[in-house]
Amino acid sequence: AQRVTQPEKLLSVFKGAPVELKCNYSYSGSPELFWYVQYSRQRLQLLLRHISRESIKGFTADLNKGETSFHLKKPFAQEEDSAMYYCALRVGNTGKLIFGQGTTLQVKP
Amino acid sequence: NAGVTQTPKFRVLKTGQSMTLLCAQDMNHEYMYWYRQDPGMGLRLIHYSVGEGTTAKGEVPDGYNVSRLKKQNFLLGLESAAPSQTSVYFCASSYRRTNNEQFFGPGTRLTVL
Repeated sequence: AQRVTQPEKLLSVFKGAPVELKCNYSYSGSPELFWYVQYSRQRLQLLLRHISRESIKGFTADLNKGETSFHLKKPFAQEEDSAMYYCALRVGNTGKLIFGQGTTLQVKP
Repeated sequence: NAGVTQTPKFRVLKTGQSMTLLCAQDMNHEYMYWYRQDPGMGLRLIHYSVGEGTTAKGEVPDGYNVSRLKKQNFLLGLESAAPSQTSVYFCASSYRRTNNEQFFGPGTRLTVL
């Protein structure tokens, strides 16, 4: 079965602390994974994709096929990182995405 | 460019009423999608389209119909609304290429009483 699991509904950290938002997936094919973010009163937008191996706003995510994970990390959280984060898995060749349940990141001052 | 726009922004319906949500994009994207967002469930794909005149079912298509008569528009219809369809609906679009990014609309908040 194709599935994306984000085990934490809410992650609350203090400013400057490290952050790790967990994402696990289940997919029989070659996975393409994404992180999308939704800031307050803004629309959902792409944060990063595994194939680009990029760092965006200090966030990185490494695909671990052995553990079927794509965790999102940032060494020092900022208050402006507070948002809802969704992990997504692309399936098939029509661009369809399967989203996880989402994790709300709250960065306290 | 306006990107992806959705009409209306908010709507309240009574059970059994019908309505159509309109999604429009000005980026010449081939692919378009309708999702619903519910607390604790993330975003779930309702229907999608890979081109003008084509539509296909997603994860949760029951109770919804769609049409894509023009490339830039993707309509989502509720023929007989039910309280279970109370949700926030998002439209998205993307280019037809590998590893494509989906661009999202601002959402429509629908309440069915």
